[in-house]
Amino acid sequence: NAGVTQTPKFQVLKTGQSMTLQCAQDMNHNSMYWYRQDPGMGLRLIYYSASEGTTDKGEVPNGYNVSRLNKREFSLRLESAAPSQTSVYFCASIWTGSNEQYFGPGTRLTVT
Amino acid sequence: GESVGLHLPTLSVQEGDNSIINCAYSNSASDYFIWYKQESGKGPQFIIDIRSNMDKRQGQRVTVLLNKTVKHLSLQIAATQPGDSAVYFCAGPFSGGYNKLIFGAGTRLAVHP
Repeated sequence: NAGVTQTPKFQVLKTGQSMTLQCAQDMNHNSMYWYRQDPGMGLRLIYYSASEGTTDKGEVPNGYNVSRLNKREFSLRLESAAPSQTSVYFCASIWTGSNEQYFGPGTRLTVT
Repeated sequence: GESVGLHLPTLSVQEGDNSIINCAYSNSASDYFIWYKQESGKGPQFIIDIRSNMDKRQGQRVTVLLNKTVKHLSLQIAATQPGDSAVYFCAGPFSGGYNKLIFGAGTRLAVHP
């Protein structure tokens, strides 16, 4: 199993550009999450999807949209990137009934 | 609002010593707490969890203690090794379910030979 995979690994955007971060898991997990991690800080939840077909806001959703494309894939879109969105983005998934979220390797995004 | 936080940003220990990383939380209704380890350039990795009806839970070389009276938990690592060098996060669920987690800022553990 590959676990949770994320693409791209690195990305540089100019202010105002848009992009989509991709996430996929092969563990048949129901729930998936997007977090951001700023330097020296813990992770903050952006959006989550409790199950296929549902999405909901987390702690810091402004400036982002998500799509749960199917059970495996959960994408995060920045419509108009801002320097404040410079961060490392992590996707995670979890099996229903477990407390153990599995994290991807992250996408390091810089907005100039 | 709800919060989970750690007491110290950096902890330095000698190889072979025991390490104790502390965490405070605000939400008394949290069902469980989790400790994650994050190595440089990688995503967080689950270490151990503890349910709120427990005071102590042990894993391989790790022990979690939960004190609900003072809303405090700790992660103890026995015989700390260089491979334990990482940032450690405690996390607890938001109210509202679906395993939405609040993370503390993290403690960096540095293990010296």
